[in-house]
Amino acid sequence: EVQLLESGGGLVQPGGSLRLSCAASGFTFSSFAMSWVRQAPGKGLEWVSGISGSGGSGSGAITYYEESVKGRFTISRDNYKNTLYVELSSLRAEDTAVYYCARGGEELDHFDYWGQGTLVTVSS
Amino acid sequence: YELTQPPSVSVSPGQTARITCSGDKLGETYTCWFQQKPGQSPVLVIYQNSKRPSGIPERFSASNSGNTATLTISGTHSMDEADYYCQAWDSSTAVFGGGTKLTVL
Repeated sequence: EVQLLESGGGLVQPGGSLRLSCAASGFTFSSFAMSWVRQAPGKGLEWVSGISGSGGSGSGAITYYEESVKGRFTISRDNYKNTLYVELSSLRAEDTAVYYCARGGEELDHFDYWGQGTLVTVSS
Repeated sequence: YELTQPPSVSVSPGQTARITCSGDKLGETYTCWFQQKPGQSPVLVIYQNSKRPSGIPERFSASNSGNTATLTISGTHSMDEADYYCQAWDSSTAVFGGGTKLTVL
């Protein structure tokens, strides 16, 4: 059974940083592109970032970003730990959202499995 | 790139609900549809324009042509009441529609 379990959310001050993790199980993690998708309170879904599947540790994976987070968010993966990460920095109030990890992340992929989400609140 | 959905659609139980998603030349790429119920994660209900994942009821179907993709729910059940999002790719960026709240009343 495919499972995605996010962690690392919490309250952070504007300008601060946070690292989110997504532990994957039930499939060959290295073979699949992965994404982070967020949802602000009461709002719709917004794709944030994606990373290609890759061999080895995952350090050679191709990364993709939504325009508003380029230079502030960094997506990465550790295929040995079956874990997806996103480093959030220079956080703004508008980054407040539930962050979901989802399987799929490259052109023409479909997001077929989602985690339960982790809430990030940016506030002073 | 933008995908436009109506904010809300209402349907009576047992009737057919149609939710549209509009975008420039949308029919030239694949569209997916997601269902999200309050407090839950999104669930993929349609991929590659018209394919249903395992476990999704046959009453869910979809099409994509021209500038419009359409999700159709035939014989709508009360359990289908949810937010629905379309999604497509544009230049390696995933784009979601703003979502449509389906009310079954």
